[in-house]
Amino acid sequence: DAMVIQNPRYQVTQFGKPVTLSCSQTLNHNVMYWYQQKSSQAPKLLFHYYDKDFNNEADTPDNFQSRRPNTSFCFLDIRSPGLGDAAMYLCATSNRQVSGHGSYEQYFGPGTRLTVT
Amino acid sequence: EDQVTQSPEALRLQEGESSSLNCSYTVSGLRGLFWYRQDPGKGPEFLFTLYSAGEEKEKERLKATLTKKESFLHITAPKPEDSATYLCAVPLTNDYKLSFGAGTTVTVRA
Repeated sequence: DAMVIQNPRYQVTQFGKPVTLSCSQTLNHNVMYWYQQKSSQAPKLLFHYYDKDFNNEADTPDNFQSRRPNTSFCFLDIRSPGLGDAAMYLCATSNRQVSGHGSYEQYFGPGTRLTVT
Repeated sequence: EDQVTQSPEALRLQEGESSSLNCSYTVSGLRGLFWYRQDPGKGPEFLFTLYSAGEEKEKERLKATLTKKESFLHITAPKPEDSATYLCAVPLTNDYKLSFGAGTTVTVRA
């Protein structure tokens, strides 16, 4: 089955110690998104890639970076995690057509729960 | 400003007690309204897309409907396994990013 995969499912890191979360997809979608979700809140978009084009949200802290080495993989790097970065991190994909039309549904992975000690 | 509002925040139901969740939106030129189900500690699972007023979609005990200003998710004769948070989302005006509501957490007691 085509899907979005996130690894690891649970990650514990120390305050200030860099951490990388990974996402892969077999849907062959051209857009990949990273969201942060805290308890009882809606997912908050951090950034997304449309093919190789990186798009950062204005309020995403500089502490968060992303890489997309190929269509299938995308990484979220947190350079110096703080206690406030403890959250669920969600990867999602969608397929955007060049014309700007097409479906806008996003398909999510299972998430990575990040704990900062 | 594009906005998505869901109500109620929480809904506690007895097994078999049907109810509805509401998602109201303000966006120009709706290009779809999406419903997701999210279980604790997991990512949102896509349920439905609705595109135009009057449209309805069904899946098991869930039925989603759409008007020009809001969508309803009806849960008929719910079971405990329907307990989850239900999120709705719409694409932003002139954008393909999604605006999410805060969700409705449904708890169904046996």
